[in-house]
Amino acid sequence: GQNIDQPTEMTATEGAIVQINCTYQTSGFNGLFWYQQHAGEAPTFLSYNVLDGLEEKGRFSSFLSRSKGYSYLLLKELQMKDSASYLCAVSNDAGNMLTFGGGTRLMVKP
Amino acid sequence: EAGVVQSPRYKIIEKKQPVAFWCNPISGHNTLYWYLQNLGQGPELLIRYENEEAVDDSQLPKDRFSAERLKGVDSTLKIQPAELGDSAVYLCASSLEDRNEQYFGPGTRLTVT
Repeated sequence: GQNIDQPTEMTATEGAIVQINCTYQTSGFNGLFWYQQHAGEAPTFLSYNVLDGLEEKGRFSSFLSRSKGYSYLLLKELQMKDSASYLCAVSNDAGNMLTFGGGTRLMVKP
Repeated sequence: EAGVVQSPRYKIIEKKQPVAFWCNPISGHNTLYWYLQNLGQGPELLIRYENEEAVDDSQLPKDRFSAERLKGVDSTLKIQPAELGDSAVYLCASSLEDRNEQYFGPGTRLTVT
């Protein structure tokens, strides 16, 4: 079975840094995804980690520890437009199915 | 390049009525997914197609839900009859056969009254 946990809500201040954690227990693993979803819109791809370590992409970075079943998404220099839900998703062994966590709703305040 | 297209964007129906959603995946993507997303939750897989074949429909409530992808491109998802609990956003996504990354459409927000 698959179990993916992430905080329901987080609040941060514009210009600050925020870290959104995700823990998972899955029967198979072929990578972990982070998606961003603004209210009423489609989830959009942010990052993909399959090996341990940190992947940096502009203001966003994603970290993975496979032995701990743990990932985080780091958002730097927060902007108001970063207010959205952030979805953690784990891929199965075959790489053809994603199981999503419940999402973390991030609110960025001035 | 056009993304995943879904229609309608919004649908309001009375309970016990039928409803259908349409999805056109990204050109060349042979894998198509239908997800259900309730408010404040992550997407949950309903069915996955590899070309025209439904390879995983274990989460599809088959008593009232059906789906098809006759020519391996467009897909429709149908609910008949709809129930109040079916109110949700129905997302379609597509991917290349050998790639993990899924691309999502904007979804259809269904309200059953």
